Amino acid sequence: GDSVTQMEGPVTLSEEAFLTINCTYTATGYPSLFWYVQYPGEGLQLLLKATKADDKGSNKGFEATYRKETTSFHLEKGSVQVSDSAVYFCALSDVGDDKIIFGKGTRLHILP
Amino acid sequence: DAGVTQSPTHLIKTRGQQVTLRCSPKSGHDTVSWYQQALGQGPQFIFQYYEEEERQRGNFPDRFSGHQFPNYSSELNVNALLLGDSALYLCASSLIGQGNTGELFFGEGSRLTVL
Repeated sequence: GDSVTQMEGPVTLSEEAFLTINCTYTATGYPSLFWYVQYPGEGLQLLLKATKADDKGSNKGFEATYRKETTSFHLEKGSVQVSDSAVYFCALSDVGDDKIIFGKGTRLHILP
Repeated sequence: DAGVTQSPTHLIKTRGQQVTLRCSPKSGHDTVSWYQQALGQGPQFIFQYYEEEERQRGNFPDRFSGHQFPNYSSELNVNALLLGDSALYLCASSLIGQGNTGELFFGEGSRLTVL
């Protein structure tokens, strides 16, 4: 079945460092890909998405590109801030399917 | 505009008991999905309700059941609780057909501990 694998955390970086969180997926069809973020004390929220190959999703300085050839959707940010500390989930939804399949999440700590 | 609200926020039960969790969707949304998030894991899809019917179900046993009311709010019921049911239960609301867009609004969850 469909699945998502993302790098394990926690990831600890200093403020203004470059961030990459790796994510790969397995799917039978052509899924939509997402990154969700869970800030402390808040509900999960959609950070960015891409619906087809080579699409780039972006939001709040974060970017991820849908790479069909490598089945990857790595999350990147050029300069992280303390406020980016959260748990990040890579996820997918297959065509015609409303359910979201999540990875295990990566906890990110940003030090001032 | 209130987002997704869930109750209770925390609860403790013992094995074999039954639990009911409640969810009010974001205003204007007509679809409710439930997810189970075990400690250190990503959320897993339990089921989705639309027009008071279960529309889609994940790989969960029949001990997990739900209901949607005419005002779109929803309940998740779990019978014969097991220790492994301890988790954060998340409710997500959306408009029908938008699940594939990722446009779900999640509540903060109900944390269930089974002793």
